[in-house]
Parts: sequence; C-alpha cells; structure tokens
Amino acid sequence: EAGVAQSPRYKIIEKRQSVAFWCNPISGHATLYWYQQILGQGPKLLIQFQNNGVVDDSQLPKDRFSAERLKGVDSTLKIQPAKLEDSAVYLCASSLVYPGTGGGYGYTFGSGTRLTVV
Amino acid sequence: GIQVEQSPPDLILQEGANSTLRCNFSDSVNNLQWFHQNPWGQLINLFYIPSGTKQNGRLSATTVATERYSLLYISSSQTTDSGVYFCAVPTNRDDKIIFGKGTRLHILP
Repeated sequence: EAGVAQSPRYKIIEKRQSVAFWCNPISGHATLYWYQQILGQGPKLLIQFQNNGVVDDSQLPKDRFSAERLKGVDSTLKIQPAKLEDSAVYLCASSLVYPGTGGGYGYTFGSGTRLTVV
Repeated sequence: GIQVEQSPPDLILQEGANSTLRCNFSDSVNNLQWFHQNPWGQLINLFYIPSGTKQNGRLSATTVATERYSLLYISSSQTTDSGVYFCAVPTNRDDKIIFGKGTRLHILP
C-alpha cells in the first residue's frame, strides 16, 4: 500500500513569511496527526484529526499555526507568520482506530518536511 | 500527563555488538510502540507491543506493563541500525501517542 505522502520535502523561508505543508494519509486511515520535531528532540503532537474534525489541538500555537482537513482525507498545515523557532521537521502520520485498543494502531509516518526559517 | 523516559540518550557501539535500550513510562498503558528514525529522518514502526515479547529478525522487544517499562534488544548490530530509537505510548484520553526523547545509536564499522 502507498505510504503517507508529504510535500514539500524541504523549505527555506525568511522570518515573518508564511508557509504551507501538505499531507495525504494512507487510504482508509481515519485519524491524521501533525507532529513538530525540533532537532535533538522527539516528535511533539501539534494537532489530531478524526476524519475532518479536530480531536486535539491543545499544543498548536493558534496565533500563527492553522491546519485543516476539509474532506477527511488530505490535510494542510500553515504557519503565518513564521518565527526562527519554528525551524523543525514537520511530520504527518495517520492511523487506524480500533475502539478499545488505544494508541493509534498502525501508526505510519510520512518522510516529513524540513523547515528552515532564516 | 504521562511521562516517557528513555535511556541511554546516546550509545556508540562497534559493528557486531549487542545493545539494550530502555523505555520507562509513568502510568499504565495498553499500548507501546518502538520506532526507528533513520539518518534521513524517516520514522519506521518497529514493534507494537503492549505486553510480552516480540521478535523480528535481529530485533526483539519486551514490555512489562505491570512494572512500566519496555526494552528493545538489537543483536549483531549493523551500521544500518544507526539512527534514533523512540518509544511512544498513548495518552489516556485518546489514540494520540507521545514520544520519549529517544536513544541515539551510532554503529561504527
């Protein structure tokens, strides 16, 4: 099966500019996640979608970050305006949901978008 | 919220050596996953192991849920095993998982 697709692979922007990332999850995966991974750290969850609804966005800096998943498939993550500390790899993941199992069975990550803000 | 601690933070080994990576978690979980992040940044799921032991080739993992830890064993290390190994556990509320800080493994030829 095809994996989680992300684009672009790399992006360099100046601070205060805007940027958008795209993700296409595995077909049939209802749950989609965006993670931010700063160099030397583990991935940190930014937002979780279940179909096209937001389940958790408690760690999303909403003053500058936004995300949508309009048709319950593809998703975009936007940063506007970008700051230097937003330099990181942005990972998209998707998973199946099996009630009662917990933990997002079948978690699959995309290759990520490496963002550098200068 | 639940805390995940991994040790050691860094490990340098000669090719052919064996290694054990540890993951401690602060609350009971009904799932735990081990991931390998290769030098190009790709995260690959290694094991989905809420309890017991699983093996896949040179890798095996054991989770003792009652004592809140999991171990990842790598035998006969190869240079391609280099990268960062993360364990991840779900929060109590829903399906999202949180990650430890990882163990960075360097296998020298």
